[in-house]
Amino acid sequence: AQSVTQLGSHVSVSEGALVLLRCNYSSSVPPYLFWYVQYPNQGLQLLLKYTTGATLVKGINGFEAEFKKSETSFHLTKPSAHMSDAAEYFCAVSGSGGSNYKLTFGKGTLLTVNP
Amino acid sequence: DTAVSQTPKYLVTQMGNDKSIKCEQNLGHDTMYWYKQDSKKFLKIMFSYNNKELIINETVPNRFSPKSPDKAHLNLHINSLELGDSAVYFCASSQQGLANYGYTFGSGTRLTVV
Repeated sequence: AQSVTQLGSHVSVSEGALVLLRCNYSSSVPPYLFWYVQYPNQGLQLLLKYTTGATLVKGINGFEAEFKKSETSFHLTKPSAHMSDAAEYFCAVSGSGGSNYKLTFGKGTLLTVNP
Repeated sequence: DTAVSQTPKYLVTQMGNDKSIKCEQNLGHDTMYWYKQDSKKFLKIMFSYNNKELIINETVPNRFSPKSPDKAHLNLHINSLELGDSAVYFCASSQQGLANYGYTFGSGTRLTVV
């Protein structure tokens, strides 16, 4: 079974500041990890994913995340926040191997960007 | 060229009614899902179909019944709607194994039961 904990339901940053959204996971098998973004009244859009290989993954819109197995973490960062980054961000996990179709989401972190 | 399309986008209905939400994907994916997002934004899987076969059926009231006529379509029928069914329902699709693609989501159907 897999689960995800997102620390902080709301993160507020100033435009140009570092964005750090925290995600810790639990998985009984090697995990696949994802970050999704949801803009108001829209569906979810994939930002980036970790499956195997390089532990630092780069995604769209300047975001990146690092898989740290020892810390069971997959935190999302962006060096400089932009007003357009304001949205809800979801971390998600699924199991690797076999036929594991289920993606389990965290409760989300609302990012607000102040001018 | 919408990849995953849901209809309707908004649905307002009275308690006790029966309603359906339709989903279609043109990505050639073999697996489709229904997720429910509640008022606190929490996303919970309801059902999943792989090549028209039901593979995930979470603890969902029997009033909810999915139907997949082919692998490009997954519909959700809800009987005897209740106030607690008010939520945003998302359809998604993926290729088997998730590893390469993750999910592609539709834009959601906002269901309001009054």
